[in-house]
Amino acid sequence: EIVLTQSPGTLSLSPGERATLSCRASQSVTINYLAWYQQKPGQAPRLLIYGASSRATGIPDRFSGSGSGTDFTLTISRLEPEDFAVYYCQQYGASPYTFGLGTKLEIK
Amino acid sequence: QVQLVQSGAEVKKPGASVKVSCKASGYTFSSYDITWVRQAPGQGLEWLGWISAYNGHTNYAQNLQGRVTLTTDTSTSTAYMELRNLKSDDTAVYYCARKVVPDHWGQGTLVTVSS
Repeated sequence: EIVLTQSPGTLSLSPGERATLSCRASQSVTINYLAWYQQKPGQAPRLLIYGASSRATGIPDRFSGSGSGTDFTLTISRLEPEDFAVYYCQQYGASPYTFGLGTKLEIK
Repeated sequence: QVQLVQSGAEVKKPGASVKVSCKASGYTFSSYDITWVRQAPGQGLEWLGWISAYNGHTNYAQNLQGRVTLTTDTSTSTAYMELRNLKSDDTAVYYCARKVVPDHWGQGTLVTVSS
């Protein structure tokens, strides 16, 4: 199965700063079938990005995804207070559709 | 609007089975797959599998194969996840979601396995 390694485990930033989250796959992700989700405490995950770089419906354009093959990045250009949460990447190119362990984005 | 409403919390003993329901509304149920994901307390997300609401085709996580069964009832727009031979580490919040890349999620169902 494809193992996704997310880094850093925790990222401490201030509102207005830029956040860069990494997701590295143990083997190439088929057709860049890579998604990013945001999860806040007590809530279900929320789809942000699919196909490595396509924003889901209603997602602000400060969220962007990039990358291909084994290295993917989620960038939040200017952090808003509501962006502090846990972020997960998921590959859906090969079963099982594995998730990374997550990056916690916390307020500095 | 798209909604997925799951059944309530369950407490089960080891070795028992649990069946979680997920009732969909606001879209044509048979047009989309249903994915199931779980999250143990304080842990990350674990993909369990998906089912086509159109033809019932399934794709399961290998580590649960044999213990989990996904089904749908198109007459009631409801999806089901049954997990058998429960173990303590099956304690988790179980989520249903629409599509293979989930765009809408249920509220989650806490399943607690404890003797």
